[in-house]
Amino acid sequence: DAEITQSPRHKITETGRQVTLACHQTWNHNNMFWYRQDLGHGLRLIHYSYGVQDTNKGEVSDGYSVSRSNTEDLPLTLESAASSQTSVYFCASSENSGGSYEQYFGPGTRLTVT
Amino acid sequence: GENVEQHPSTLSVQEGDSAVIKCTYSDSASNYFPWYKQELGKGPQLIIDIRSNVGEKKDQRIAVTLNKTAKHFSLHITETQPEDSAVYFCAAPTPNTGNQFYFGTGTSLTVIP
Repeated sequence: DAEITQSPRHKITETGRQVTLACHQTWNHNNMFWYRQDLGHGLRLIHYSYGVQDTNKGEVSDGYSVSRSNTEDLPLTLESAASSQTSVYFCASSENSGGSYEQYFGPGTRLTVT
Repeated sequence: GENVEQHPSTLSVQEGDSAVIKCTYSDSASNYFPWYKQELGKGPQLIIDIRSNVGEKKDQRIAVTLNKTAKHFSLHITETQPEDSAVYFCAAPTPNTGNQFYFGTGTSLTVIP
């Protein structure tokens, strides 16, 4: 069965370190998204991609970057981790076929920056 | 997101009772409104959605209603069961896009056995 996975599931890092969170989907979807989830804020969009070599900034992109070298993967990099980036991160993918806009979410990565 | 407001933030109901969660949006051009359910330790999952050409959609015990004039939509869960306990998110499209969404801040629903 097709799926979307994230790794690691939990990560503790120190302020100032570079961190990369992996996202891999086997749906063959063109659209991929990264969100962060914080209490009181719901899900906020960090970056998104509509296809290979396409990346775009979302609502809260400062301090984050993504790259899309193939259809399956959209890694999220925190260039210099800050305590404000402690959060739960979700990757999602979608394909706008047949009028469906459903996003399929991964299980999340809990990141703690100390 | 700033364009979607969701209420209440927490909701407790007795098993068998109904639960209602409400959302308002600001972009009058929005035409698709999904609801996601997030169980503990998992990612959100779509449970129902509605398009602007209908006012109500039902799927077994869940239903969504849409009032385009007032720019609000609601999730209704009837005959609640303990497995309905989760966080529910509404969403509305960001302006001029078809596949990006502003999400509400979530409602934590607890169904008391």
